[in-house]
Amino acid sequence: DGGITQSPKYLFRKEGQNVTLSCEQNLNHDAMYWYRQDPGQGLRLIYYSQIVNDFQKGDIAEGYSVSREKKESFPLTVTSAQKNPTAFYLCASRDVMSNQPQHFGDGTRLSIL
Amino acid sequence: LAKTTQPISMDSYEGQEVNITCSHNNIATNDYITWYQQFPSQGPRFIIQGYKTKVTNEVASLFIPADRKSSTLSLPRVSLSDTAVYYCLVGDPGGATNKLIFGTGTLLAVQP
Repeated sequence: DGGITQSPKYLFRKEGQNVTLSCEQNLNHDAMYWYRQDPGQGLRLIYYSQIVNDFQKGDIAEGYSVSREKKESFPLTVTSAQKNPTAFYLCASRDVMSNQPQHFGDGTRLSIL
Repeated sequence: LAKTTQPISMDSYEGQEVNITCSHNNIATNDYITWYQQFPSQGPRFIIQGYKTKVTNEVASLFIPADRKSSTLSLPRVSLSDTAVYYCLVGDPGGATNKLIFGTGTLLAVQP
């Protein structure tokens, strides 16, 4: 069954710690994206990657880092430099060879203890 | 990137047709209009995408006038399970960048 898998569903972090959110897709999509969603708000773009070993900052990249070592994986690290990390994080992917829209995972909710 | 404006909320009853209008005055020539649906604690789910005139699929219709400065998502005979936030987005689907600008969306509440 093709799709995007985000894990874990819920994640807790102590202040000062880095934490990594997983995003895996088996859709063979080249492009992958990370978004952040705060309560009652739309999604904001953190980072995106058009191809393996390449990624670009989105609108709110400060305090986050990513890697794209494999086509199917695009992990997001929330660093201690991110002052307000509590949010709902969504990963998406897209087939760049067509005009098809982005497909989203079901998100990871990160909370600070 | 074109900004969109849509109502913050709408109410409806089961079995009714719901029309949600989105304004996008600064839409560019290469931009398409895309609608997503989002339930609480889930990722957005693609509903429909179009460029001009009318597009219809198994769940919705999208009406786009000739000037493309607005669009209307039409949901036929809504049910309680259609209660969700609906996002209208405008952007160029071509290429890998495909940056999407999400607004606050329209919260549709369907009542029995």
